[in-house]
Amino acid sequence: NAGVMQNPRHLVRRRGQEARLRCSPMKGHSHVYWYRQLPEEGLKFMVYLQKENIIDESGMPKERFSAEFPKEGPSILRIQQVVRGDSAAYFCASSPGTGGPIHPSGANVLTFGAGSRLTVL
Amino acid sequence: GQQLNQSPQSMFIQEGEDVSMNCTSSSIFNTWLWYKQDPGEGPVLLIALYKAGELTSNGRLTAQFGITRKDSFLNISASIPSDVGIYFCAGRSLTGANSKLTFGKGITLSVRP
Repeated sequence: NAGVMQNPRHLVRRRGQEARLRCSPMKGHSHVYWYRQLPEEGLKFMVYLQKENIIDESGMPKERFSAEFPKEGPSILRIQQVVRGDSAAYFCASSPGTGGPIHPSGANVLTFGAGSRLTVL
Repeated sequence: GQQLNQSPQSMFIQEGEDVSMNCTSSSIFNTWLWYKQDPGEGPVLLIALYKAGELTSNGRLTAQFGITRKDSFLNISASIPSDVGIYFCAGRSLTGANSKLTFGKGITLSVRP
């Protein structure tokens, strides 16, 4: 039972290039979250998606960043025209959603992938 | 926005010692979670708390959900070298079972053999 799979684990880009980070949620999970982690910082929420829908993108920068979770295939976080400040670890997490095992309180737990580390030269 | 406060940023203890970490917030959360992150890896869930006042144990770990819903603590007893890592608290607000988690900045724990 594979966990949350992220690739690539490491990505190097030059300023101005595009970065695409992929996330395959755990089997049976229909909710995906993206977080960004800077050195010595906690995880900052970026976006929450269900299949074909963006539910909460309140943490996404207004420009250059986009995310999708298509009906088929992994979720993708896309960063256009990368700048040095985009260098960070990007983590994806998934949860079952209302169709899966739910604690009696109704709250779901997020399971994280190992992250994708983006370095912008 | 919502913020979770964890301090100090780093803690250094001797192997075998107990350690306690606290997490506070100015906002109410209805779920508190504690995660551990090893270098180069993603956070791994340690303990989840769903009810104010709840006290939950997982091996040498014990965590409590504060009755005010604005704080939580994590205790590690009889520390061992593999306890080294970054410990994050995370909270989910009252709005929705699948709403986002808000994370603290984490506490880096070092254990001296």
